[in-house]
Amino acid sequence: AQSVTQPDIHITVSEGASLELRCNYSYGATPYLFWYVQSPGQGLQLLLKYFSGDTLVQGIKGFEAEFKRSQSSFNLRKPSVHWSDAAEYFCAVAPRNTDKLIFGTGTRLQVFP
Amino acid sequence: SQTIHQWPATLVQPVGSPLSLECTVEGTSNPNLYWYRQAAGRGLQLLFYSVGIGQISSEVPQNLSASRPQDRQFILSSKKLLLSDSGFYLCAWSVGNGGRSDTQYFGPGTRLTVL
Repeated sequence: AQSVTQPDIHITVSEGASLELRCNYSYGATPYLFWYVQSPGQGLQLLLKYFSGDTLVQGIKGFEAEFKRSQSSFNLRKPSVHWSDAAEYFCAVAPRNTDKLIFGTGTRLQVFP
Repeated sequence: SQTIHQWPATLVQPVGSPLSLECTVEGTSNPNLYWYRQAAGRGLQLLFYSVGIGQISSEVPQNLSASRPQDRQFILSSKKLLLSDSGFYLCAWSVGNGGRSDTQYFGPGTRLTVL
């Protein structure tokens, strides 16, 4: 069965530091890949997505993610974190022949000034 | 542009009472619609999805049901709430693509507390 793993439940960084959130998936073929962000009490906002083409994807708010087929990974990165980036981040995959998303359990990001 | 609405934003209900949560989408036609539940400390669990009026697929057996009476309206219901129904309920939509995946866009959510 398809699955998504976000191994880091909680990450704390200082403002201005770089960030990498990990995401690994289990699926036979390359799925569509997504990163969403959720602020407390809010819905999910799409940060970026990968369907095909360039494996380095640029998103909103200065985020980027790199698809690595050999590692079945789609890690999210930001070179310099802002306090407003504190939120929960979800990786999701969608098998290409279905209408459904499979979500990871999320990584909560805390940012210290 | 497309927008998605959910109401109410917050709801506190006693055990055994009925439930009706509503989701509507504007600015698109024949969307796929989804209901998710997010329990505390967990990821998102897909509850129901719909590819058209009256077409509902249930992902997990539970105390809840869904209906799609209109093209852009999706309703989540229960006849008798359980304590375990507490959580954050999110509605989402995507472009109807004949079974192929596309980006899902989420509503603001409804916080349900069952006491």
